[in-house]
Amino acid sequence: DIVMTQSPDSLSVSLGERATINCKSSQSLLYSSSNKNYLAWYQQKPGQPPKLLIYWASTRESGVPDRFSGSGSGTDFTLTISSLQAEDVAVYYCQQYYSPLLFTFGPGTKVDIK
Amino acid sequence: QVQLQESGPGLLKPSETLSLTCFVSGGSINNYYWSWIRQPPGKGLEWIGSIYYTGITNYNPSLKGRVTISLDTSKNQFSLKLNSVTVADTAVFYCARHSSVAAFDYWGQGTLVSVSS
Repeated sequence: DIVMTQSPDSLSVSLGERATINCKSSQSLLYSSSNKNYLAWYQQKPGQPPKLLIYWASTRESGVPDRFSGSGSGTDFTLTISSLQAEDVAVYYCQQYYSPLLFTFGPGTKVDIK
Repeated sequence: QVQLQESGPGLLKPSETLSLTCFVSGGSINNYYWSWIRQPPGKGLEWIGSIYYTGITNYNPSLKGRVTISLDTSKNQFSLKLNSVTVADTAVFYCARHSSVAAFDYWGQGTLVSVSS
């Protein structure tokens, strides 16, 4: 199984400041033939389903504000919110889809306003 | 716009079978994978299993053979059965769509299933 870990568990950021969330996988998510990292990021607000933000580690889903960006390759990935807005308060999850026989999610990082 | 909607009983007793259905509107079931994902209250997300529109299934081994996912293309819906539920199966159950080796791009709103004696 590919195990996903995230850090920190939670963080408090002032409005307009940068928020950085890290995600690590137990094995590389880089598929050599496509040169793509099979890693996605989701945002989940209370009482709502997760919303896809980023796929292929760095491609923003249509309609996602450009203050959200993803980076990283192999086993280490980062989600950055460049200027935190009030509506960004949520739990953020990373997920690997490298292994389609067993998709796995990170434990989540809770982001709130300082 | 693709929409997914879960339906099914919200309360079960231990040892009963959980049965949920996800209706897909605004798009075809063809050419996509359809998954069930669950989230215990206050906890993280666990993928339960997927079914391709051809009927091929993949399940999370952690559920030890208790899971069956089926598809009804004529009704544009797919279903989940989870046998022998326990209190530990209490969760919000989501249905979701993904393409071949891709992220989950559309999700249902989720339905809470509680298991209690």
